[in-house]
Amino acid sequence: DGGITQSPKYLFRKEGQNVTLSCEQNLNHDAMYWYRQDPGQGLRLIYYSQIVNDFQKGDIAEGYSVSREKKESFPLTVTSAQKNPTAFYLCASSILFSGTTQYFGPGTRLTVL
Amino acid sequence: EDQVTQSPEALRLQEGESSSLNCSYTVSGLRGLFWYRQDPGKGPEFLFTLYSAGEEKEKERLKATLTKKESFLHITAPKPEDSATYLCAVQWNSGGSNYKLTFGKGTLLTMNP
Repeated sequence: DGGITQSPKYLFRKEGQNVTLSCEQNLNHDAMYWYRQDPGQGLRLIYYSQIVNDFQKGDIAEGYSVSREKKESFPLTVTSAQKNPTAFYLCASSILFSGTTQYFGPGTRLTVL
Repeated sequence: EDQVTQSPEALRLQEGESSSLNCSYTVSGLRGLFWYRQDPGKGPEFLFTLYSAGEEKEKERLKATLTKKESFLHITAPKPEDSATYLCAVQWNSGGSNYKLTFGKGTLLTMNP
C-alpha cells in the first residue's frame, strides 16, 4: 500500500527547543517537499529535494533545516530560530520535480507552548 | 499581488445545486495546474492535473477545465460529502530550469444538510 506517512500527527514544542518532523514515502518518488499551512494563506514551500543528498530552500526556509540521506525519507527540523512555528506542516512527493503531480501526506500539527 | 487567486473564498450550496469554483493565475510558463480537495486537519487529496488550454478532466461529480488564464472546477449535483476546501496550484517556470508551485488560498465549500 503505497503512500506518504508523517509523524507525529500532533507535536508540542517549548520555547527554545528544536523539533524534528518525520516524512517517509514508499512511492519511489525522486522529489520531496515540505510546506507550511496557516489559516487564510496558501501553502508555502519551506524546502524541497530533487534527489538524494541534495535540497534547496523554498520561499520561507529561515528557521528550518532538512536532510535527504535516503530516497524514502525527508525529515524537517524546526529550530529555535523559527519565530512563529505554530502551523500545520505538510510533506509531499512527486515522481520528478517539474510538471508532475505532488502527493501529500496527512500532516503534522505543531504547537508552541 | 497574488499570482493564483481562487474565488469565491467560501460557497454554501444546497444538495443538488450545481456550481463552479474559479482559479485564475497571472504567472507565465505554465507547466501544470493542479486541483486538490482538503478535509479539515488532513493533507490535500489530489483530484486533477491539467496541462494545456482546452483540456478537461472528469471524476464523478467533478469536472475541471483550463483556459489560458484560469481554471474552473464544476461540481454537478453536489452531495453532503463534497463539503471540503478545494485548492488550486499552478506550476510555472520561474527562470532557467527553476520551477515553482504556487497555491491559491482555497475555496471552502459547505453543503447545507
